[in-house]
Amino acid sequence: DAGVTQSPTHLIKTRGQQVTLRCSPKSGHDTVSWYQQALGQGPQFIFQYYEEEERQRGNFPDRFSGHQFPNYSSELNVNALLLGDSALYLCASSYLSGGALETQYFGPGTRLLVL
Amino acid sequence: AQKITQTQPGMFVQEKEAVTLDCTYDTSDQSYGLFWYKQPSSGEMIFLIYQGSYDEQNATEGRYSLNFQKARKSANLVISASQLGDSAMYFCAMRDLGQETSGSRLTFGEGTQLTVNP
Repeated sequence: DAGVTQSPTHLIKTRGQQVTLRCSPKSGHDTVSWYQQALGQGPQFIFQYYEEEERQRGNFPDRFSGHQFPNYSSELNVNALLLGDSALYLCASSYLSGGALETQYFGPGTRLLVL
Repeated sequence: AQKITQTQPGMFVQEKEAVTLDCTYDTSDQSYGLFWYKQPSSGEMIFLIYQGSYDEQNATEGRYSLNFQKARKSANLVISASQLGDSAMYFCAMRDLGQETSGSRLTFGEGTQLTVNP
């Protein structure tokens, strides 16, 4: 049973560029959440996708956008990259059921460095 | 708004001893879940244990147990018989278990770096 997978593992971009990160959820999961983790901090919620729609969004600008595909995989897009976007981007998947069954399982993350 | 506080930036423990990592939370929700995750240097967040706000028993998962004190709004993680492989960052997180439309974002604390000494 494959867990959550993310690609790429590492990425280096320059300011102003655009980036796309990808996530495949754990088998049986239908919900994908994205988090940004700056160095030395806890993860911050970006948004969550369910049934190909954004279900909830954290306090991130519109430069951050996403998509969920019919197979439940997801992409995170960041436009006009800033130095402050350098972080570990974590994808988490879960099964939308409420309660303990909705535990989020995380992927290995994508380390983004903006120069 | 939900808030998680982890007051111990770093903790040290001898191998085979027990250690408690502190977590306090603040929420106005009546129904919520509390989680602990382990993050090794590789970066992946590994789910350890879950406690629901209405669970009467403290959660246990192998060497991990959660000391849940609802009145004090604390959810401390206890690791028994520490192993060298337990060295990692540990995060406490919470989630609203209310209406489906409220979403299910996790709110994390700042983490505690645990070092297990041989």
